[in-house]
Amino acid sequence: DAGVIQSPRHEVTEMGQEVTLRCKPISGHNSLFWYRQTMMRGLELLIYFNNNVPIDDSGMPEDRFSAKMPNASFSTLKIQPSEPRDSAVYFCASSPRTLTSTEAFFGQGTRLTVV
Amino acid sequence: DAKTTQPPSMDCAEGRAANLPCNHSTISGNEYVYWYRQIHSQGPQYIIHGLKNNETNEMASLIITEDRKSSTLILPHATLRDTAVYYCIVRGTTDSWGKLQFGAGTQVVVTP
Repeated sequence: DAGVIQSPRHEVTEMGQEVTLRCKPISGHNSLFWYRQTMMRGLELLIYFNNNVPIDDSGMPEDRFSAKMPNASFSTLKIQPSEPRDSAVYFCASSPRTLTSTEAFFGQGTRLTVV
Repeated sequence: DAKTTQPPSMDCAEGRAANLPCNHSTISGNEYVYWYRQIHSQGPQYIIHGLKNNETNEMASLIITEDRKSSTLILPHATLRDTAVYYCIVRGTTDSWGKLQFGAGTQVVVTP
């Protein structure tokens, strides 16, 4: 398996533009997570899905951020409009949920720079 | 609401065992202790997890105290590639299952 695949790896955009980050989870995993990492705030959980349904989006910073999971093999995180403070590395992770809990597998991240 | 406390940094000599402590005094009965690490510029990587008993895999050993209020991750023979930030996380199996919340972690530097 290729692991969790994120695209693009790097994104540079101008303030006010729409940005869409993409994630393909590991096949068969039914939980998906979006994280953001900055030097100031570390790794923050933004939202997670179970079986394509958003379970907890309390970490989403504001209405400019939205996440979707239209099917089990694809998810997007959209920022519209983007702002310089959104600059960060965004990670997607997936996990097979079991009764005894298990590990999450992370992608390589998307480094977003908003200028 | 930090559930774990870790030292911010520690050094370890290559080839020696690295013992990474973690305090989780408010852990509840259905919460597991997880360890992840993040090598520079990469996504976090799962290492090991446990509930009550000590655990061992090919990467590390996890020692959990009997009262479960603290644990120690042991890297038996540290290599330069083990230089990373190590995160100790408590995670439930019910409503809080999805909340894999990362703290500041411990920056481990393995030196030659």
